[in-house]
Order: sequence, then structure tokens, then C-alpha cells
Amino acid sequence: GAGVSQTPSNKVTEKGKYVELRCDPISGHTALYWYRQSLGQGPEFLIYFQGTGAADDSGLPNDRFFAVRPEGSVSTLKIQRTERGDSAVYLCASSPGGAGETQYFGPGTRLLVL
Amino acid sequence: AQRVTQPEKLLSVFKGAPVELKCNYSYSGSPELFWYVQYSRQRLQLLLRHISRESIKGFTADLNKGETSFHLKKPFAQEEDSAMYYCALLYNNNDMRFGAGTRLTVKP
Repeated sequence: GAGVSQTPSNKVTEKGKYVELRCDPISGHTALYWYRQSLGQGPEFLIYFQGTGAADDSGLPNDRFFAVRPEGSVSTLKIQRTERGDSAVYLCASSPGGAGETQYFGPGTRLLVL
Repeated sequence: AQRVTQPEKLLSVFKGAPVELKCNYSYSGSPELFWYVQYSRQRLQLLLRHISRESIKGFTADLNKGETSFHLKKPFAQEEDSAMYYCALLYNNNDMRFGAGTRLTVKP
């Protein structure tokens, strides 16, 4: 079956602009996660959804970052007033149920802020 | 603070040699640890988790609470094992904290 998909695969934007990154989880997976991976680092947890609600958003670095999952499936990560330091690969993962279950990762969106 | 340390950014071995990728963690609770792998041009995927106590692709990892380690081992490395390996710690049931990763190269 289809795995986790993310769009766009690459996004180039200018400092100060607004961007949206989309994640389509595996069908039926109730848990969805966003991570950010900077060059030379491992993925860094941002936010975890269980169904439609953000069960844990403690990893969001500041209030410029926001994520939604209105129907409990597709999720959108939104970044306002982008900064050059936001440049990274943004990874999405989903799992069937709880956070302790195997997470299936998408290919990531590579964001470059000029 | 919860932390995962992978001290080696790069590790290179010859085909058929044993390989050990080191992982140390810092966590006051009961840890749940994972190894994820990313092969070239592929997405990140789970390799194994300590609670399963299984061997995947010949790899094993034992949790050593005394040394707070979860090293990944394979007795005979293969060229197809060349990849980026990440150790990860799950805490608070939600947050997965990853190490910085080790790039393993298995030379012919």
C-alpha cells in the first residue's frame, strides 16, 4: 500500500514569507508526527497528533510554527515569517496507534529559506 | 535532560568484519530505545527496537541500563549495510529523541 507522502518535496522561499508543508499519512493511522532535521543532525521532534488533536506540541520551537490535522488524516505544518534558520528537511511520520508503535516516515520536504 | 549520544559520525569497516555502532542515552525513567536506518535515497525506517529483542538483517542491540547504552552490533558486515543509522529514545510516551546519526560504510 501507499506509504506516507509529503508535498512539496522541495520548497525555496524568501525570508519573511509564509510556507505550508503537507503530510498524507498511511490510511488508518491515527498517530502523526512532525520532525525537523537540520544538516548533520538527527530528526528533532516537533509535534504529535493523535486523531485531530495535537497531543504534544512541546517541540515546536516558537509561535511561528503551527500544525493542524482537521479531519484526523492529512496534516499541514505552517511556518510564518520564515527565517534562514528554518532551512531544514521536515519529516512526517505516522503510526497505527500509540506513540510507542513503529513510526513510518515520509520522504521529507526540503525547505530552503533564502 | 533526555539525550541520545552517538559518538561516531562516521564508521568504516571491511566486508565480513564485525561492526558496532555506539549509542548512549540519558533518561531517568524506563527507556524505550530504537534503531532507525536510512539507506541511500530511501526514507528513514525502523531497524529494531529493544523491547522486541529480535535480530533484523543480522543486527542485534542489547539495552545495558548500567552503562546506559544500546549499541547496535553485527558480526559480519555486508556492503548493503552501508547507510545512516540513528539511535532513538522514546520518552513521555510521545516524544522520540534521535541521536545525530552514524554513517556506516562497508568497504568491499
